[in-house]
Amino acid sequence: GENVEQHPSTLSVQEGDSAVIKCTYSDSASNYFPWYKQELGKRPQLIIDIRSNVGEKKDQRIAVTLNKTAKHFSLHITETQPEDSAVYFCAASIRDNTDKLIFGTGTRLQVFP
Amino acid sequence: GAVVSQHPSRVICKSGTSVKIECRSLDFQATTMFWYRQFPKQSLMLMATSNEGSKATYEQGVEKDKFLINHASLTLSTLTVTSAHPEDSSFYICSARNHLQAQRDTEAFFGQGTRLTVV
Repeated sequence: GENVEQHPSTLSVQEGDSAVIKCTYSDSASNYFPWYKQELGKRPQLIIDIRSNVGEKKDQRIAVTLNKTAKHFSLHITETQPEDSAVYFCAASIRDNTDKLIFGTGTRLQVFP
Repeated sequence: GAVVSQHPSRVICKSGTSVKIECRSLDFQATTMFWYRQFPKQSLMLMATSNEGSKATYEQGVEKDKFLINHASLTLSTLTVTSAHPEDSSFYICSARNHLQAQRDTEAFFGQGTRLTVV
């Protein structure tokens, strides 16, 4: 079935450093790749998304890159801050008639002051 | 952004009873809603796709007779956990897209989740 792999599972960085999280997907027809930040006990919050017609998208300290040929995409957070600490999930849309999202396994990011 | 409201946020029930969780899109219509389950320190696992006016589509391994889904209107989907057992204790989250926008590649909005504890 459809699968989204994500790594690393945990990531610890010093405040101000960059953090990179990578995902690969199996459905070559996927065209939509969102990234979510989830704090404990809360709903996932969309932080950035990318569609297959672009290779890179940036929003202030957050950027996402997409390589459709290799079927992988990455989240880049620069100048990390303690409030960036959370669990991050990538997802890929499955191109059936519902465009359901399949989530990666998650990355727990800790930013130390 | 659009708002999806889920109720209740927390519920504790006795083993063997049933629990109903509601998911409402407050300011948009959704022909399709999705139900996810999330165990502690794990990812969101898609359970089923709820289709307005028709039967839900369940993911492999999810018991349709145990997790009853009803999507009777364009703004409401319900998930009923029947004969709940302690192993059903989890965080259940719904999501929806605005069907009046382009059908594909649009942001999915999530409810606030329901923490179910079966004792």
